[in-house]
Amino acid sequence: NAGVTQTPKFQVLKTGQSMTLQCAQDMNHEYMSWYRQDPGMGLRLIHYSVGAGITDQGEVPNGYNVSRSTTEDFPLRLLSAAPSQTSVYFCASSPGWGLSTDTQYFGPGTRLTVL
Amino acid sequence: EDQVTQSPEALRLQEGESSSLNCSYTVSGLRGLFWYRQDPGKGPEFLFTLYSAGEEKEKERLKATLTKKESFLHITAPKPEDSATYLCAVGSSNTGKLIFGQGTTLQVKP
Repeated sequence: NAGVTQTPKFQVLKTGQSMTLQCAQDMNHEYMSWYRQDPGMGLRLIHYSVGAGITDQGEVPNGYNVSRSTTEDFPLRLLSAAPSQTSVYFCASSPGWGLSTDTQYFGPGTRLTVL
Repeated sequence: EDQVTQSPEALRLQEGESSSLNCSYTVSGLRGLFWYRQDPGKGPEFLFTLYSAGEEKEKERLKATLTKKESFLHITAPKPEDSATYLCAVGSSNTGKLIFGQGTTLQVKP
């Protein structure tokens, strides 16, 4: 079991560029989510998915898109990168339905810098 | 408003010096309280889940406890390898989501 994997590990973008952060899990988890982590802010939820074909917004969704075509994959798209999106991004998955009740397993993170 | 506050922000201990980390929360309907450990440059690693006041869980030198307003992570006789940032999160029945605290960075010196 690889668990939750994320690519790339590091990325530098220029303002206005777009890119996709990849996330995959091999644990057959229904629930997947994306967080960003900024100094002094804690982890904040961007988008989440309760299963293939179903996604919803979290706390800070603006500037990001997601889709869930398979159980395994949950990519995060930055449409037009801005310096405010400089952050560390974590993907997580959990076996159950409830974000608030089920243990989430995190990937290793993608460190993104937007110039 | 659902809120999680961790204290202290940073803690320095000598090896073997026991201490506690605090996680205070305000949540409309606690669905679960989670503790994670995060090493520099890595993702959070799950430690414990607590669901009701009075519950306790242990793992090696760590023990987590829960009351109606706060949780403590007790570290007994810590070792340098316990150095990390410890994150607390609560599940809210109001939002159906997890709310994370800002973390406590622990440094254990030999």
